[in-house]
Amino acid sequence: GNSVTQMEGPVTLSEEAFLTINCTYTATGYPSLFWYVQYPGEGLQLLLKATKADDKGSNKGFEATYRKETTSFHLEKGSVQVSDSAVYFCALMHTGNQFYFGTGTSLTVIP
Amino acid sequence: EAQVTQNPRYLITVTGKKLTVTCSQNMNHEYMSWYRQDPGLGLRQIYYSMNVEVTDKGDVPEGYKVSRKEKRNFPLILESPSPNQTSLYFCASSARRDRVGEQYFGPGTRLTVT
Repeated sequence: GNSVTQMEGPVTLSEEAFLTINCTYTATGYPSLFWYVQYPGEGLQLLLKATKADDKGSNKGFEATYRKETTSFHLEKGSVQVSDSAVYFCALMHTGNQFYFGTGTSLTVIP
Repeated sequence: EAQVTQNPRYLITVTGKKLTVTCSQNMNHEYMSWYRQDPGLGLRQIYYSMNVEVTDKGDVPEGYKVSRKEKRNFPLILESPSPNQTSLYFCASSARRDRVGEQYFGPGTRLTVT
């Protein structure tokens, strides 16, 4: 079946540190991949996406590359800020328009 | 303002008492979906709808019903709620088929079933 596995949190970093949140997936066919972010008390917001192998999604300094050979979509940012503190969800959309989310990774950035 | 609204935001109810959580979007989106969020499990899709009168089961549809009679509304119905349906529920919508993945989420409904 389809599933998404994210690295366990919580993750705590100092401001300006490098961020990596690992995400791997299992899927039949060719899914689209997404990262969503959830700030405290809010719904999820789309952060970035990639729809085919080797695509790189980017937004607000965050990047992720769709790696079919390793079935991965790791999220990276070169220099995190306090305002990046949130929960990050990796997700895939199967060709049948069903969504599968990872369990989420909580990030806290300290000044 | 483009938004997805849910009502109520908080609800405490008892086992077996039918309830409906409403979801409405003002963006003329075709795709709408319901999720539940539980600690350690992330978000799991309950039902989704590609358009009016078209609905499909997600990963965890048991105990839930939906309807899509109008494009803007997608209510979630719990005919006989049980304590294991205590959760945080999110409604989401997105535009055309080629942008289904770009979902806009509502603020969430926290449901407690005692």
